Amino acid sequence: DIHLTQSPSFLSASVGDRVTITCRASQGIGSALVWYQQKPGMAPKLLIFAASTLHSGVPSRFSGSGSGTEFTLTISSLQPEDFATYYCEQFNTYPATFGQGTKVEIK
Amino acid sequence: QVQLVQSGTEVKEPGASVKVSCKASGYSFMANCLHWVRQAPGRGPEWMAWMCPYRVETFSANQFEGRLSLSSDRSADTAYMEMSGLTSDDTAVYFCARGSGSYDWRRLDYWGQGTLVTVSS
Repeated sequence: DIHLTQSPSFLSASVGDRVTITCRASQGIGSALVWYQQKPGMAPKLLIFAASTLHSGVPSRFSGSGSGTEFTLTISSLQPEDFATYYCEQFNTYPATFGQGTKVEIK
Repeated sequence: QVQLVQSGTEVKEPGASVKVSCKASGYSFMANCLHWVRQAPGRGPEWMAWMCPYRVETFSANQFEGRLSLSSDRSADTAYMEMSGLTSDDTAVYFCARGSGSYDWRRLDYWGQGTLVTVSS
């Protein structure tokens, strides 16, 4: 199975900060990388797919980049509603696998 | 709008089976595969399996082989996930999610609200 490692696991940031989360794959996955946001008690919400394509309705402050084994999710200016846990998922090879998550909390 | 509505909370004893339903609306049920993902308390999501109603095909992660059964009722736009031989390690919220795209563009774009399955004696 392909293993995804996210860093950091936890970050503390302020409203307006630029935030970057990294997801590294144990082997090359092309651009088959998805980012989700999850809030407590809710289902994950799709943000970005194909490494850099913004899902419909997702604010443009979210962006994704990368290919192969290293990917990033960037929030250009953190908003109060962005405090949540973020997960990457790879769809290059089944079984699909998720990263362990990055929790973004208010500083 | 696309909606996936799942059945309610389940409490099961070890060794029992559970069947979770996922009713789709707002799109053509036959047009997309449905995925199942679970999330144990305090843990990240874990992908389990997919099922495509249009070609009656399923695929499960190895760890669930032999005790996971996926099915659908096309007349009711509903998918089902049944897991047998439950242990406490299966205690989790189980989600269905719609798959979209192909190759590098695959993603889970709409999710059910989740079904809590608790396994306890």
